Amino acid sequence: GAGVSQSPRYKVAKRGQDVALRCDPISGHVSLFWYQQALGQGPEFLTYFQNEAQLDKSGLPSDRFFAERPEGSVSTLKIQRTQQEDSAVYLCASKLGASNQPQHFGDGTRLSIL
Amino acid sequence: RKEVEQDPGPFNVPEGATVAFNCTYSNSASQSFFWYRQDCRKEPKLLMSVYSSGNEDGRFTAQLNRASQYISLLIRDSKLSDSATYLCVVNTGNQFYFGTGTSLTVIP
Repeated sequence: GAGVSQSPRYKVAKRGQDVALRCDPISGHVSLFWYQQALGQGPEFLTYFQNEAQLDKSGLPSDRFFAERPEGSVSTLKIQRTQQEDSAVYLCASKLGASNQPQHFGDGTRLSIL
Repeated sequence: RKEVEQDPGPFNVPEGATVAFNCTYSNSASQSFFWYRQDCRKEPKLLMSVYSSGNEDGRFTAQLNRASQYISLLIRDSKLSDSATYLCVVNTGNQFYFGTGTSLTVIP
């Protein structure tokens, strides 16, 4: 399809395991964002890419979180040594480069850490 | 202080009612504004951008007040299908800040 695609839709992992979440943005979208959304809350910013450059990672909650977008298209969010508090929905969004353009979201990955 | 403040509700209104949501933001340098709709267990979807002069899309009207730093969304003639969480979003620099969302339930 033409929208933002995320995989997997659901991920269950044991505490301490590493996980990798994938985002395939809309073709041609320069900007890519990762968000974490807890139940009953709005999405919280994690990190932002413009093409392959990670311009802002101020929202990453700890050094266990790592994101990359090596070719300026697909992005991966990796969480190492997962903790229960990492359980959330992880949303990816992309947008055209212009500053007044809205973001378009993927379906999200629902991560549960046992 | 949070970048974006939004009344979480919930708002429970009868079909056909008019309902309004407000949202305030803290950074006067914020440059663009949006309302998103999020259904349960779904991703946020763009409802409408908010322009300085105010804008309307069918039953939905969005307004921006830069002096008071708030944005609003008015829904007229509410439908059952309008039941969802409405998120206000403020773009400042490279970042997009979300409100916590306002829950709306339209009752038959």
